[in-house]
Amino acid sequence: EDQVTQSPEALRLQEGESSSLNCSYTVSGLRGLFWYRQDPGKGPEFLFTLYSAGEEKEKERLKATLTKKESFLHITAPKPEDSATYLCAVQASGGSNYKLTFGKGTLLTVNP
Amino acid sequence: NAGVMQNPRHLVRRRGQEARLRCSPMKGHSHVYWYRQLPEEGLKFMVYLQKENIIDESGMPKERFSAEFPKEGPSILRIQQVVRGDSAAYFCASSTSGFNEKLFFGSGTQLSVL
Repeated sequence: EDQVTQSPEALRLQEGESSSLNCSYTVSGLRGLFWYRQDPGKGPEFLFTLYSAGEEKEKERLKATLTKKESFLHITAPKPEDSATYLCAVQASGGSNYKLTFGKGTLLTVNP
Repeated sequence: NAGVMQNPRHLVRRRGQEARLRCSPMKGHSHVYWYRQLPEEGLKFMVYLQKENIIDESGMPKERFSAEFPKEGPSILRIQQVVRGDSAAYFCASSTSGFNEKLFFGSGTQLSVL
């Protein structure tokens, strides 16, 4: 069974204090690893898809990286508006695997 | 350019009643997914549908739950004879293909069962 574990569960940062969120995964074969952002009372918002070990993607202050066992979401000089829950999900390879398996998320709070 | 629209946003039902949750995908999207988010739990896959077809319902409870995506109109997630354990946030997502290149989620329906 596919599994995704995110750590830490919650993280408080001061504005400008860089850090990383971790996503460890177990999957029979990886089609893709996804990062989403979720604000309170809203649905997840897509950030990145990573497909193979060594791949990196960036968007503004966020950078996602992937190894064979885990992914990191690096946040550089965060701002209060980066406060949200960050979700990691995996999709297994194989012809009929359509579902995403999500972790429980990391609640990020950035204080001004 | 409207996103994924879900209604109602909040739904209160008494035990034993039926709940109907609606989802209109983004324009041009023919693939719809339903996920459930329980308190303190991650999002859990329920079902994947294309127009008039259920492709994967492996995450749906065997009883009381059903889903459809008719040729015309929104996708419907139906829960019969609700119980307190059904209380959760139900999210719909849509995409242009079946392999989740990029899912667009709605804002969800919060179901509360009294």
